[in-house]
Amino acid sequence: DTGVSQNPRHKITKRGQNVTFRCDPISEHNRLYWYRQTLGQGPEFLTYFQNEAQLEKSRLLSDRFSAERPKGSFSTLEIQRTEQGDSAMYLCASSIQNTGELFFGEGSRLTVL
Amino acid sequence: GQNIDQPTEMTATEGAIVQINCTYQTSGFNGLFWYQQHAGEAPTFLSYNVLDGLEEKGRFSSFLSRSKGYSYLLLKELQMKDSASYLCAVRPNYGQNFVFGPGTRLSVLP
Repeated sequence: DTGVSQNPRHKITKRGQNVTFRCDPISEHNRLYWYRQTLGQGPEFLTYFQNEAQLEKSRLLSDRFSAERPKGSFSTLEIQRTEQGDSAMYLCASSIQNTGELFFGEGSRLTVL
Repeated sequence: GQNIDQPTEMTATEGAIVQINCTYQTSGFNGLFWYQQHAGEAPTFLSYNVLDGLEEKGRFSSFLSRSKGYSYLLLKELQMKDSASYLCAVRPNYGQNFVFGPGTRLSVLP
């Protein structure tokens, strides 16, 4: 399978715990995006990378969220001290620089109890 | 600021034609995209407009008017499998992130 891969697919955690999600993009794609989506809403932008550089981060994103893409390949999204409001589907997408089409992974669903 | 509006829900009959509208107000414009998202699945790309006019791809067409900040997605010969959410997204500037609308949930009835 050469699509975008995300894991874990589901994560249930208690409030206050830290969680980390991983995204493996399509191998030749140099852009990687993280979005968050709640039921009945469109994806909300969190951050994006071009190669290993984090070029933009949403102003709505609290300091509890951090993302890395250390070698310009896979990326991780960490949420510290989770809150119930963090419960959502976290979507990763990748693209080739000069095209607009985003290829999404299946998402990582987070439930904070 | 960035704002994208779409109707929340639409219903249509199998075999019919449906038009899903999208209006946007963004700080810049470098392309409008439509994605389809079935329940519980990831969004998949449908179409892209950067110039005014109509782009046709099989049963799906997308229209753009930049001066009006308006786009629509036209679905012809509706099939049951077209029941999904349709997301309108704008890229305000080349190289920037994509801003998604809330999505329109389309139900196709027999």
